[in-house]
Amino acid sequence: EIVMTQSPATLSVSPGERATLSCRASQSVSSNLAWYQQKPGQAPRLLIYGASTRATGIPARFSGSGSGTEFTLTISSLQSEDFAVYYCQQYNNWPPALTFGGGTKVEIK
Amino acid sequence: QLQLQESGPGLVKPSETLSLTCTVSGGSISSSSYYWGWIRQPPGKGLEWIGSIYYSGSTYYNPSLKSRVTISVDTSKNQFSLKLSSVTAADTAVYYCAICIAAAKFDYWGQGTLVTVSS
Repeated sequence: EIVMTQSPATLSVSPGERATLSCRASQSVSSNLAWYQQKPGQAPRLLIYGASTRATGIPARFSGSGSGTEFTLTISSLQSEDFAVYYCQQYNNWPPALTFGGGTKVEIK
Repeated sequence: QLQLQESGPGLVKPSETLSLTCTVSGGSISSSSYYWGWIRQPPGKGLEWIGSIYYSGSTYYNPSLKSRVTISVDTSKNQFSLKLSSVTAADTAVYYCAICIAAAKFDYWGQGTLVTVSS
């Protein structure tokens, strides 16, 4: 099983600042990595897939990078609506298995 | 636009079987481009993939749950379903259904339904 590790668990950032979130895979997942945003009481929303491709309707301030085992989600200038929990998910060994990271909570500093 | 809606009992007794249905609108569950999946989230915790099904009926399950999970498709109703047997309190979670389009990332999600396991 591929284990996905996200860091930090919590990130405190001021509005307007840049946020950098990390996701590490226990073995290479190539570029088969997605990022999701989840706000309280809501379902997750797909932000990024293929490590760096923004999903439909996702603002340009969200960007993804990396390949292999190291990935980064960057939010260039945090807006109030961006404070949420972010998850990474690998789909390299699909089928048969998919795995999520444990999440990073982005909170207001 | 594709929309998904989970339905089923919100309370299940320990040792019984949890059964949920996901109704799809705005698209056909028979499309060859899609995988349909279930994901769960215990209160205050992260996301766990439960399993997925292809329109052809091929299924893939999380190894940690495989012995208890069954996912099936009902094309006549444009629905797919989850059954999780022998539930315990550890299975208490919000259960989401979702669709993967063209790759195994979850493009659209249902709103989720809370299932509590308690006597």
